[in-house]
Amino acid sequence: QQQVKQSPQSLIVQKGGISIINCAYENTAFDYFPWYQQFPGKGPALLIAIRPDVSEKKEGRFTISFNKSAKQFSLHIMDSQPGDSATYFCAASRFSNTGKLIFGQGTTLQVKP
Amino acid sequence: DVKVTQSSRYLVKRTGEKVFLECVQDMDHENMFWYRQDPGLGLRLIYFSYDVKMKEKGDIPEGYSVSREKKERFSLILESASTNQTSMYLCASSSSGRADNEQFFGPGTRLTVL
Repeated sequence: QQQVKQSPQSLIVQKGGISIINCAYENTAFDYFPWYQQFPGKGPALLIAIRPDVSEKKEGRFTISFNKSAKQFSLHIMDSQPGDSATYFCAASRFSNTGKLIFGQGTTLQVKP
Repeated sequence: DVKVTQSSRYLVKRTGEKVFLECVQDMDHENMFWYRQDPGLGLRLIYFSYDVKMKEKGDIPEGYSVSREKKERFSLILESASTNQTSMYLCASSSSGRADNEQFFGPGTRLTVL
């Protein structure tokens, strides 16, 4: 079963705009939520991650917002740039786990100049 | 610079062939993973290994097997390739013990089964 649901599947944003990607999870035991970024021809790479003891984490133009009661988290990309065009995956895991992640379906972001 | 390498970027095989996908990491990581990536389905875990000769099934292990004889090398085997195994295959590795240890991915192998 799909334990992490990601939307939208694709997103087109103008340069300078805000990109927002949403994820919802089912398992309340999840307590680690990373986002991975994948450029064409490359493997995914860790972008930013959050644990549920905080509601927001910001790194540069990238922010994760976390809503524990709604079991949702989202990635916001401020001042989106053409270089941000990539596929983004949210994921979830139990912190005490062996390192296995459950990934969302992915969002392909295109930032138009 | 940390590195996960995969033996082939592109591979074309015939239905029924035995296929080997090789992955090597140079970070002395305990954990290694094989995923397949399909549009709209994200990354789905096929198999996971947490130590040499140790393996655990992921979400979609049917039709696949794995081998880990050395710490740095993790192989994915398709015993009898089928057209529905046409996909992008990604290998990853991470250090052990904690879920927040970053997974480092290889560039992927795009496998086409005719």
